[in-house]
Amino acid sequence: EVQLVESGGGLVQPGGSLRLSCAASGFTFSNYWMSWVRQAPGKGLEWVANMKHDGSEKSYVDSVKGRFTISRDNANNSLYLQMNSLRAEDTAVYYCARPRVGASFDFWGQGTLVTVSS
Amino acid sequence: EIVLTQSPGTLSLSPGEGATLSCRASQSVTSSYLAWYQQKPGQAPRLLIYGASSRATGIPDRFSGSGSGTDFTLTISRLEPEDFAVYYCQQYGRSQWTFGQGTKVEIK
Repeated sequence: EVQLVESGGGLVQPGGSLRLSCAASGFTFSNYWMSWVRQAPGKGLEWVANMKHDGSEKSYVDSVKGRFTISRDNANNSLYLQMNSLRAEDTAVYYCARPRVGASFDFWGQGTLVTVSS
Repeated sequence: EIVLTQSPGTLSLSPGEGATLSCRASQSVTSSYLAWYQQKPGQAPRLLIYGASSRATGIPDRFSGSGSGTDFTLTISRLEPEDFAVYYCQQYGRSQWTFGQGTKVEIK
């Protein structure tokens, strides 16, 4: 059974940093691209970042470029999102998701809440 | 960036009725890269349709997708109580993913 479990969310002040983790199981993690998608409270979904299975390619939504860094550890089946210079508008539930056929996201974690507030 | 606009914002229907949800793109979208998701309160999104018209694993056949170019449709033939939720369309292109703003299907 595919499982994605996020952790690392919490309350952080504006300008602060946070590192999210996603533990993957039930599939060969090193064969798949992986992504982060977020959802602000009461709002829609927004793709944040994506990383190729071997780490050789990354892409980001414009609003986080230069502040967020996606990375992975295939030996430990883990995906990360380092978030720096956090802003109030980064407040959201962050989901780890697996892009698959047709670049759709076929599996999602349960999400971890990041709140940026003073 | 391709912008996806979903309509209507809210659909009020009764169980047993059919639902038609629209997703319009600001530029042509490759059909292979158009998907639909269902999200219930407090839950992660669930993939329903990929490639504009292919049902994901375990999705009942009352859900169907169609369309091409800039206009795509999700149809629910007969609403079951568990189908009342928010639905999002999503596209991929040029290493970027974008989602529509969602359509809420609520019980009338």
